[in-house]
Amino acid sequence: NAGVTQTPKFRVLKTGQSMTLLCAQDMNHEYMYWYRQDPGMGLRLIHYSVGEGTTAKGEVPDGYNVSRLKKQNFLLGLESAAPSQTSVYFCASSSTGANVLTFGAGSRLTVL
Amino acid sequence: GQQVMQIPQYQHVQEGEDFTTYCNSSTTLSNIQWYKQRPGGHPVFLIQLVKSGEVKKQKRLTFQFGEAKKNSSLHITATQTTDVGTYFCAGPGSSGSARQLTFGSGTQLTVLP
Repeated sequence: NAGVTQTPKFRVLKTGQSMTLLCAQDMNHEYMYWYRQDPGMGLRLIHYSVGEGTTAKGEVPDGYNVSRLKKQNFLLGLESAAPSQTSVYFCASSSTGANVLTFGAGSRLTVL
Repeated sequence: GQQVMQIPQYQHVQEGEDFTTYCNSSTTLSNIQWYKQRPGGHPVFLIQLVKSGEVKKQKRLTFQFGEAKKNSSLHITATQTTDVGTYFCAGPGSSGSARQLTFGSGTQLTVLP
């Protein structure tokens, strides 16, 4: 079992460019999440999904969009990247039972 | 909105010393979880506490949930270099979906050999 897989692991963007981060899980989890992690600020929830075809805003959704077309995939998009979006992004998933998160390895994004 | 505060932000200990991190929520929590993130790694679930006053142990790690369910602590006895990392507490959101977890800012533990 791969668990939660994120691609790419590293990316450098210029301000204004767009990109998509892909998260895939093979645990048949209903719930998926995107967090960003910045030094001294812990993990902040960007968007989440409670099931295929659904998405909802988290704590810091501005500047990001998400889609959950398939149960196993959760995509995070940046339409026009800004330096403030330089961060490490973590995808996570959880089952309908205990709300225990399984995280991916992370994607480090730098916006110049 | 709900806030989860964690102290200290950093802690340096000599190997063999004890370590404690504290987590305080602005609201009553139905449960609290603890995660560990090794340097360069991703958060990994350690434990979940549900009951008021609950105490759970995992080898040298002791987790407590306060009587009022608004605070929690993680205590490590006789730290080892393998304990290095950042420890996060997390609680369910008070607004929106209870599936949303609000994370504390974490305590970064350094263990000096």
